[in-house]
Amino acid sequence: GAGVSQSPSNKVTEKGKDVELRCDPISGHTALYWYRQSLGQGLEFLIYFQGNSAPDKSGLPSDRFSAERTGGSVSTLTIQRTQQEDSAVYLCASSLDRGQFRVQFFGPGTRLTVL
Amino acid sequence: DQQVKQNSPSLSVQEGRISILNCDYTNSMFDYFLWYKKYPAEGPTFLISISSIKDKNEDGRFTVFLNKSAKHLSLHIVPSQPGDSAVYFCAATDQGAQKLVFGQGTRLTINP
Repeated sequence: GAGVSQSPSNKVTEKGKDVELRCDPISGHTALYWYRQSLGQGLEFLIYFQGNSAPDKSGLPSDRFSAERTGGSVSTLTIQRTQQEDSAVYLCASSLDRGQFRVQFFGPGTRLTVL
Repeated sequence: DQQVKQNSPSLSVQEGRISILNCDYTNSMFDYFLWYKKYPAEGPTFLISISSIKDKNEDGRFTVFLNKSAKHLSLHIVPSQPGDSAVYFCAATDQGAQKLVFGQGTRLTINP
């Protein structure tokens, strides 16, 4: 498809386990973003990748969270030793570039439930 | 420190009437503003945007107004349709930061 895709769509895990969430951005989009939406909350920025530049990790809530983007395309968000407060919908977005093309297009999200 | 605020968690409007969703921001560095619409179990869908050099942008039934002096923007939907029922998020960014800062969202319900 032409849109941003994410997998899995749902993930249920036990507290203390590690999880990996995947994002496939729109082809040709150089910028990739991760956000999360906790229950009843707005979207919270986590991390941003732009081309080959160092990622902006300023939104990551703890060192249990990390993300990488391989080959300038697919990205993986990893949460180690998951906690119940990590339960949220994790959303990935991509955009064409800086400047006037700053509209971010979102994927459907991964709903993470930590038991 | 919530830089983007949507003070109305919900709004109910009759079909055919105008829906007005409001958003306030505090960061004067924001120079680009967007509205997204979100249905349950889906990601946000881009609706309309406005640059800080403008005070109005229109796209079909959707118009966004920006009042920089008041740090306020609004989304007008006219006429409102049942398919417009969704959660609407206001977002802002500045050219240096790139990341979007979102409001808490307003749930719009269009009643037949």
